[in-house]
Amino acid sequence: EDQVTQSPEALRLQEGESSSLNCSYTVSGLRGLFWYRQDPGKGPEFLFTLYSAGEEKEKERLKATLTKKESFLHITAPKPEDSATYLCAVSIGNEKLTFGTGTRLTIIP
Amino acid sequence: EADIYQTPRYLVIGTGKKITLECSQTMGHDKMYWYQQDPGMELHLIHYSYGVNSTEKGDLSSESTVSRIRTEHFPLTLESARPSHTSQYLCASSRYGGSADTQYFGPGTRLTVL
Repeated sequence: EDQVTQSPEALRLQEGESSSLNCSYTVSGLRGLFWYRQDPGKGPEFLFTLYSAGEEKEKERLKATLTKKESFLHITAPKPEDSATYLCAVSIGNEKLTFGTGTRLTIIP
Repeated sequence: EADIYQTPRYLVIGTGKKITLECSQTMGHDKMYWYQQDPGMELHLIHYSYGVNSTEKGDLSSESTVSRIRTEHFPLTLESARPSHTSQYLCASSRYGGSADTQYFGPGTRLTVL
């Protein structure tokens, strides 16, 4: 059965303190891995799509990387406005996404 | 930037009422989806559509129904709402083509059934 596991469940960082969020997956034939940001009471906002091991993508203070077993979302010098839940999802090509439960990130000023 | 809209944003209704949650997108996407999300939990796919007159059930069993008469519109209907239907409902869309299409989400509808 396809599984997506995100860790940690929650993370509190001081402003400027860099860290990484993990998304590990067990799927047959990964076609794409997606990162989303979700603010309370809102829909997920698309951040990145990664297609193959070794691929990296960056956007402002965020960088996503992908290996054959997991993906990392690196956050460099975060600001309070980066506080949100970060969701990871995988696609195996049947056009359905399997989501993890997310990491709830809090940046303390 | 995604242009996908959901109405209402919040809905509180009594048991037994019929409700329709609206979802529309202006991006010309062929594929549309409905997800259900409880607080602190993962998103679960309940319905999806590949295009006009195409609808399929998702991985999570749901008593809701959907229709796709127009490309841009994908409403979800509950014939008789119950407290167990209380949840956040999220609509998404993606362009048809490619091996892994990015899904763009609407703002969601928070449904509370009393």
